[in-house]
Amino acid sequence: QKEVEQNSGPLSVPEGAIASLNCTYSDRVSQSFFWYRQYSGKSPELIMSIYSNGDKEDGRFTAQLNKASQYVSLLIRDSQPSDSATYLCAVTNSGYALNFGKGTSLLVTP
Amino acid sequence: GAGVSQTPSNKVTEKGKYVELRCDPISGHTALYWYRQSLGQGPEFLIYFQGTGAADDSGLPNDRFFAVRPEGSVSTLKIQRTERGDSAVYLCASSLSPEDGYTFGSGTRLTVV
Repeated sequence: QKEVEQNSGPLSVPEGAIASLNCTYSDRVSQSFFWYRQYSGKSPELIMSIYSNGDKEDGRFTAQLNKASQYVSLLIRDSQPSDSATYLCAVTNSGYALNFGKGTSLLVTP
Repeated sequence: GAGVSQTPSNKVTEKGKYVELRCDPISGHTALYWYRQSLGQGPEFLIYFQGTGAADDSGLPNDRFFAVRPEGSVSTLKIQRTERGDSAVYLCASSLSPEDGYTFGSGTRLTVV
């Protein structure tokens, strides 16, 4: 069973702080990695994709990938209450079939 | 269209009945995917279409599930002899190519009673 593991949370951070969300995966040949945000009762929306080791920044979001450690993370700087949602890590080795974790619930408190 | 459209948004059906769930992808997106999401879980891959053909249907749980995309645009997920365990949100997504990441529709919440 190829697994994607995330701490279910909830992760609570104060407004303005950095939220750090982590994900580990078991399939060593995984080649593409995605972070999705899902608000309660809504469908997932793509935040970031990352394909090579290192950091990738997009606005307040930074994705970090370490293939040797089979670890991918998402940092959210200057967290806002509107960032409160479930964050889903997704991994693929096929390029199209995403294997999702169960998600981490993030709560940003004013 | 502007986004991925799924109909109906909610469907309640009796155990043993047949249901069809429809997905209209973003115009021009050749790749289309169906996923199923149960409460507290991440989405689970069901099937991937590239154009009209099912390139990978390995995620379909059993032969009660079938999906088509006859003209390479709209897709229909069909579930025969529904069971209570089929209750979930069925998500459709599309993309220009798999590497682009998906755009999900708003989903169909299926409840089998």
